[in-house]
Amino acid sequence: ELKVEQNPLFLSMQEGKNYTIYCNYSTTSDRLYWYRQDPGKSLESLFVLLSNGAVKQEGRLMASLDTKARLSTLHITAAVHDLSATYFCAVDRAETSYDKVIFGPGTSLSVIP
Amino acid sequence: KAGVTQTPRYLIKTRGQQVTLSCSPISGHRSVSWYQQTPGQGLQFLFEYFSETQRNKGNFPGRFSGRQFSNSRSEMNVSTLELGDSALYLCASSLPGANTGELFFGEGSRLTVL
Repeated sequence: ELKVEQNPLFLSMQEGKNYTIYCNYSTTSDRLYWYRQDPGKSLESLFVLLSNGAVKQEGRLMASLDTKARLSTLHITAAVHDLSATYFCAVDRAETSYDKVIFGPGTSLSVIP
Repeated sequence: KAGVTQTPRYLIKTRGQQVTLSCSPISGHRSVSWYQQTPGQGLQFLFEYFSETQRNKGNFPGRFSGRQFSNSRSEMNVSTLELGDSALYLCASSLPGANTGELFFGEGSRLTVL
């Protein structure tokens, strides 16, 4: 059974600081995703990582994927308050020609002045 | 381009009742997935539909069911509601077979069971 873990689950960081969120998954997978959810809102797609060594950056966020280690990281650079949200990683589990996306538990990020 | 639309946004039911939630995917998206989100269990996969066929089903009891229509709109139904069914139900659409598999989520239907 595919399991997706995130570390840490809760993160409080000061503005201007850097930090990394880790996402581990238990079986081989084709694709990895990062989503953001603001309180009371839906999920917004941030990154789609399709291959080993993939790196994507958007603003202060950078995501990377190591399929051999079954690990993805979401790095936050010089955090600002607007980044406060819950971040989910998610993984495809390809079964025959079908797939479904399994989500990690989420990392609740709070950026404080 | 309109996003994923879910109705109703909020609803309150009592135990034993049933509920039907609706989801209209992004135009051109033929795959619809449903997720249940609760503080304790997080995001849990319910089922996925493509071309009116259920392709995958999560580990939920038979009280949870769904269907997809020829226009790709989808509904999910929960019968004999229990208190534990209180949750945010999220629908997501995607382009099946697309290289990315990226999900586009609606705003959700927040169900409260009293």
